[in-house]
Amino acid sequence: GEDVEQSLFLSVREGDSSVINCTYTDSSSTYLYWYKQEPGAGLQLLTYIFSNMDMKQDQRLTVLLNKKDKHLSLRIADTQTGDSAIYFCAESQYGGSQGNLIFGKGTKLSVKP
Amino acid sequence: DTGVSQNPRHKITKRGQNVTFRCDPISEHNRLYWYRQTLGQGPEFLTYFQNEAQLEKSRLLSDRFSAERPKGSFSTLEIQRTEQGDSAMYLCASGLRTAQETQYFGPGTRLLVL
Repeated sequence: GEDVEQSLFLSVREGDSSVINCTYTDSSSTYLYWYKQEPGAGLQLLTYIFSNMDMKQDQRLTVLLNKKDKHLSLRIADTQTGDSAIYFCAESQYGGSQGNLIFGKGTKLSVKP
Repeated sequence: DTGVSQNPRHKITKRGQNVTFRCDPISEHNRLYWYRQTLGQGPEFLTYFQNEAQLEKSRLLSDRFSAERPKGSFSTLEIQRTEQGDSAMYLCASGLRTAQETQYFGPGTRLLVL
């Protein structure tokens, strides 16, 4: 079955880089996503990557995909206190053509000043 | 603000009561999804619509749950005979039927069943 796993906590100092890791099991996933959730709020789509890409960069965010190992990472450069939130990795259940996303449990990022 | 709105934002009810939540998606989006999120977990899929058709339902969606999207615009999620285990955040998302399947989430409705 589908399963997305993430480490639960990450703590970094302001200005450092943060790397949040995720592993997924469904090799048919066409797109993989990163969402951010601040306390009491809904989910904000940060970025997504197509499965035939190795890397995608968007301003301070870099997504790396190792399809062989089914490993996805999100790097946040120059992490700020405003980046403190829970970050969710998600895969599309049916390879992106329809339907629901499968989410990990989320990684809580704490940024210390 | 993603453009997806949900009402109410908070609901407290007593066990056994019925509750209804509403989601207004981004206007041009033809897909609408409902997810449930409990504390310390990621969102779990409940059901989704393409236009007014309900195309998929999760096994989490017991017969006490029903969702509608009558005109292909807003959607409602009703829970009948609520149980304490229904306490959760109910999230709505909308999107377009495109290859990348990006979904934009609303702020959620937090339900507490006493």
